[in-house]
Amino acid sequence: GQQLNQSPQSMFIQEGEDVSMNCTSSSIFNTWLWYKQDPGEGPVLLIALYKAGELTSNGRLTAQFGITRKDSFLNISASIPSDVGIYFCAGLGSSNTGKLIFGQGTTLQVKP
Amino acid sequence: NAGVMQNPRHLVRRRGQEARLRCSPMKGHSHVYWYRQLPEEGLKFMVYLQKENIIDESGMPKERFSAEFPKEGPSILRIQQVVRGDSAAYFCASSMTASNEKLFFGSGTQLSVL
Repeated sequence: GQQLNQSPQSMFIQEGEDVSMNCTSSSIFNTWLWYKQDPGEGPVLLIALYKAGELTSNGRLTAQFGITRKDSFLNISASIPSDVGIYFCAGLGSSNTGKLIFGQGTTLQVKP
Repeated sequence: NAGVMQNPRHLVRRRGQEARLRCSPMKGHSHVYWYRQLPEEGLKFMVYLQKENIIDESGMPKERFSAEFPKEGPSILRIQQVVRGDSAAYFCASSMTASNEKLFFGSGTQLSVL
């Protein structure tokens, strides 16, 4: 089945540093999404990408939809303590059934 | 501004018992999705329902698991004769239209099987 490989698995950074994480797939996706999950909560959508090559920002977050439609990255600039959490990439194929395929997640810890 | 409501937040069951997880979608949403998350893993799709219909259940185990979304009331994910391997966080999401990638997730139900 379809799988997403997300890296790195975890990151421990200093407040103020920039962060980059990425996701790759062996399959093509029509939509790439980035979610953040806080402990004990459901994922919250951060950025949605719809077209190959698209670069989208949401505050300090920037994400890109790879040209091949098989990868995406998320950057967080000037990290702050509340950025702590687990970040998931997710891909949506052509099935149109809300069947998101999630990556394994990147756990981010920020040291004040 | 009620989001997706799931209850209970935590559910403890002994092996062989039944677990019932409830999900009320956001107001105006008629599409419900169930996902399961094992520790330190991403969410795995289980089932997609519209009112009174199961649209895609390709992620549901063939036995013991069932889901419904009746005309009135919340969506229910039912697990019969639970086993330890069923212990996980179960998340419900809803959307306004089909193929809408903007899924809004609930806070989940943490199921623990003793």
